[in-house]
Order: sequence, then C-alpha cells, then structure tokens
Amino acid sequence: GDSVTQMEGPVTLSEEAFLTINCTYTATGYPSLFWYVQYPGEGLQLLLKATKADDKGSNKGFEATYRKETTSFHLEKGSVQVSDSAVYFCALSGSSTGNQFYFGTGTSLTVIP
Amino acid sequence: ETGVTQTPRHLVMGMTNKKSLKCEQHLGHNAMYWYKQSAKKPLELMFVYSLEERVENNSVPSRFSPECPNSSHLFLHLHTLQPEDSALYLCASSRRGLAGGGVSTDTQYFGPGTRLTVL
Repeated sequence: GDSVTQMEGPVTLSEEAFLTINCTYTATGYPSLFWYVQYPGEGLQLLLKATKADDKGSNKGFEATYRKETTSFHLEKGSVQVSDSAVYFCALSGSSTGNQFYFGTGTSLTVIP
Repeated sequence: ETGVTQTPRHLVMGMTNKKSLKCEQHLGHNAMYWYKQSAKKPLELMFVYSLEERVENNSVPSRFSPECPNSSHLFLHLHTLQPEDSALYLCASSRRGLAGGGVSTDTQYFGPGTRLTVL
C-alpha cells in the first residue's frame, strides 16, 4: 500500500546549521507530496507541497524537490533558527490513495543557540 | 489563523463520562477529518466526511462516534473511553473533488487539536 517513510529523530542542530530531513514514499500513480510542521502545543501547519515530479516546494527558507526517480521528497534548509524547533511530517495524497493523506511518523527538530 | 477551530483545547474525563469534541472550519471546504495523534505513532486517520459520504477507519473503536451536521461543523462524541485513548485529537478540512473526477486533492488544514486525558 501507499506509505511514507521519514528519518527518525530527534535531530538536534546548532543555529545556522544546514538541515536535511529525509522522506521517501511508496505509491501507485502520482501523488502530491507535502511537508507539515507542528510547533509545540499546536496543530499541523502546511509548510510546503509539490504536486508533480521535479516540482520544488518552498516556504520560509525550507525547500523540497519531488524526485520521482528516487521516490523522495527531502526537506532542506540552509540555515536553521531556534524558532524552527518543531516536529516535521512528510505526507502524500492523491487519487491512488482515495484522496486520503498518509503521514510519516514525524521528525523532531531542536535548534540550540 | 488557520481557519479551523477546535473546542475544547484540553479535556480530562473519566472512563464513564460522555463528552464531545467540536470542530468548525471557516474555509468553505467540503471535507472534514478526525485524526488521533499519539506519542511516537504515525497520525491515525479516524474518520472522513466528504461530499456527504462518511469513511471510517475500521480499527477505530465504537466508543468514538462522529457527527457532521453540515460541511462546516464536525463533532466527535466520546463514550466510555479507556486510558489508552488519551491523545491529541486533530480536526482537518480540505476541498475535495468528486471521486474519479481526476481532480487533484487540495491541502488539508488542521485545527490546533484537543488534548484528551482519560483517567
């Protein structure tokens, strides 16, 4: 079945470090891919998305490129800030999933000053 | 402002209580969802209401009962819960196309969640 696998955390980085959170997917068809972020005590917020192969989603300095050949959608940021500390979820959805979302288990990121 | 609100934000209940969680969306969406978020587990989709249809995860116990009186409101009625039901319950909404219509799925927007503790 369709699924998303993302790297396990927790991840701890110093401020201004480079961030990569890996996400790979398994799906029939061509799903849309998403990254959501959950700050402490809050619900999930959409961070970025890509709807077709080679699309790059970007927001708030974060980027992810939809790679069909490697079935990946890795999240990157060149210089993290303390305020980026949160849990990040990779997700997919599309007609092949009955338009339902499948989420990864989440990766906790802590950025220290 | 996410456009999706949930009440209450926190709820503590005994195993014999009956309570309800409420979700309201102001985004003009036509689909609403209940998710359960437990520590160290993937988000679990519990129920979907979309285009007047209801889809449920068959693994959800009958002590959880959803109600969707219209496209803007969603409830989750709770009855004789167990301590393992303690979790963050998230509501989400989206705009969905007709089944088989080839319309791509729109983004899901989440509420802040209700933190439920069952004693």
